[in-house]
Amino acid sequence: GAGVSQTPSNKVTEKGKYVELRCDPISGHTALYWYRQSLGQGPEFLIYFQGTGAADDSGLPNDRFFAVRPEGSVSTLKIQRTERGDSAVYLCASSRGEAGGETQYFGPGTRLLVL
Amino acid sequence: SQQGEEDPQALSIQEGENATMNCSYKTSINNLQWYRQNSGRGLVHLILIRSNEREKHSGRLRVTLDTSKKSSSLLITASRAADTASYFCATDRDNFNKFYFGSGTKLNVKP
Repeated sequence: GAGVSQTPSNKVTEKGKYVELRCDPISGHTALYWYRQSLGQGPEFLIYFQGTGAADDSGLPNDRFFAVRPEGSVSTLKIQRTERGDSAVYLCASSRGEAGGETQYFGPGTRLLVL
Repeated sequence: SQQGEEDPQALSIQEGENATMNCSYKTSINNLQWYRQNSGRGLVHLILIRSNEREKHSGRLRVTLDTSKKSSSLLITASRAADTASYFCATDRDNFNKFYFGSGTKLNVKP
């Protein structure tokens, strides 16, 4: 596809459940980012991949959050034992990964609601 | 924590008027970018300005950067109803690839 895609668009789950959110970056982009956006706030950085490895995961709030990118393309953000406070829009972005300060292209996001 | 903060939080203008939004940040940056977001979903990149640049234009958009004041402004000229959206500035700091976003300015352009 032409842009970053994310699935599902919306996810409703119950407190304590496990969820997986998927991101398909722009073809050929080696850098991939996850952000979380709460209502009325700007996106907050979670983690950044360069290729298959997590280059910076300093934004992950705790060890319930984990992300993988095993083949350097699609990435999955995994949240264990979800809590109501995890409810937010989870945004994925990608960039060429060739140089610093590149434009990051965002997907439409996954809206997660934890009941 | 957020690095950039936009001002004002909300702005309502008539179609055809100019809209100016400001962004202030706290530490030295490499680049600053402006994004637009409609209806709380994906962000659309508008313009990137590097720390050694002072002004950039793109269509009806004009961005300025004052590194001595740690601030940037986004001007939208001849606004249209379709410009109604939230606008965010994003800065990098210690890491070129780690963006810090402000809380955004919610712009409403009335037809």
